Amino acid sequence: SQTIHQWPATLVQPVGSPLSLECTVEGTSNPNLYWYRQAAGRGLQLLFYSVGIGQISSEVPQNLSASRPQDRQFILSSKKLLLSDSGFYLCAWSVRRNYGYTFGSGTRLTVV
Amino acid sequence: AQTVTQSQPEMSVQEAETVTLSCTYDTSESDYYLFWYKQPPSRQMILVIRQEAYKQQNATENRFSVNFQKAAKSFSLKISDSQLGDAAMYFCALSDNQFYFGTGTSLTVIP
Repeated sequence: SQTIHQWPATLVQPVGSPLSLECTVEGTSNPNLYWYRQAAGRGLQLLFYSVGIGQISSEVPQNLSASRPQDRQFILSSKKLLLSDSGFYLCAWSVRRNYGYTFGSGTRLTVV
Repeated sequence: AQTVTQSQPEMSVQEAETVTLSCTYDTSESDYYLFWYKQPPSRQMILVIRQEAYKQQNATENRFSVNFQKAAKSFSLKISDSQLGDAAMYFCALSDNQFYFGTGTSLTVIP
């Protein structure tokens, strides 16, 4: 069966520190992968998506970057976190658009 | 312009009653798919129900059903026999050439 793993679940980081959030998918090949951010009580903002290894599309210019070093691995990074980077980050995958997305359990990031 | 619109930021329902969450969308594609996602306090996004635009029959999953009005571009979610565990944020979503989420409706279930 297909599963998606996202970690860590919770992270508190000081301003200016680096960030690395990881997402891996099991049980499928060549998935489309996505990173979303959700501010408290708000909707979902698409940050990055990837249709293949090394292929990253950015939806919003920001302090973050994404990489896809392997087919089923998607990493969200920052060299220097800002207070405004705080939020809830969700990784998701899809294979066919009629199936919708399957989401990871999310990472709650607090920048202090 | 908003592609997926959820006009009800908050809704409440008495336990065991029925509630309907509204969603309208806009697309120029003839081939698309619609979804409702549930996000409980744990914040895990869970797919509740999906609808293919080419199907006239409304999708149903246990206590959850949709009212899909293609001409009106409306896709509402009906929750029957509401339970305390239904309390969550509900997101409507559209998949045509891209994937779009609505802004969500927060559902409270009153015991």
